[in-house]
Amino acid sequence: DQQVKQNSPSLSVQEGRISILNCDYTNSMFDYFLWYKKYPAEGPTFLISISSIKDKNEDGRFTVFLNKSAKHLSLHIVPSQPGDSAVYFCAASAEGAQKLVFGQGTRLTINP
Amino acid sequence: DVKVTQSSRYLVKRTGEKVFLECVQDMDHENMFWYRQDPGLGLRLIYFSYDVKMKEKGDIPEGYSVSREKKERFSLILESASTNQTSMYLCASSPFMGALVYEQYFGPGTRLTVT
Repeated sequence: DQQVKQNSPSLSVQEGRISILNCDYTNSMFDYFLWYKKYPAEGPTFLISISSIKDKNEDGRFTVFLNKSAKHLSLHIVPSQPGDSAVYFCAASAEGAQKLVFGQGTRLTINP
Repeated sequence: DVKVTQSSRYLVKRTGEKVFLECVQDMDHENMFWYRQDPGLGLRLIYFSYDVKMKEKGDIPEGYSVSREKKERFSLILESASTNQTSMYLCASSPFMGALVYEQYFGPGTRLTVT
């Protein structure tokens, strides 16, 4: 039972354009969402997060949007750069739960 | 800077061997986690610990056990390694924030191959 789903295993985007990565969740108790980035042979690193009391959070080139009614969140990267090529995981947590539930990941490739 | 280290980057073991994966964090975090990462399946939680000598099963605990004798160290044990335990193993830590969720900090991972 996959509570957090990333339905696109891979995404290819031209350098300078916008990358949009999507994530859906099923558990209505989730109220905090995070995006992690992972390079090969390295551990995931935290990118950006959003609480359910917000619908948008921005940090430089990265913006996360949350649509609670649709149980959907997305990560926008503008403009995309070659160094953004990595696997991106979304994760979710419920209040008081110290653990995260991760999606399957999306491999983003930025083409020059 | 938070640092999470794992004892080995690459490990090759034989079927039936007992395998120890060690993880150490230097930020005095209460919570520690073990995940495995497999293609198409993302990160799946094996076990986690929110205090010394405390542990809770994650989503896929079968075939694994853990030990947390000191706050900074969390060990994952494969009692009798099998080929379906070939995977990337990731350790993470985070502070305990009560009702709040805090990001987890990950180690570099151990690529385990069981032959």
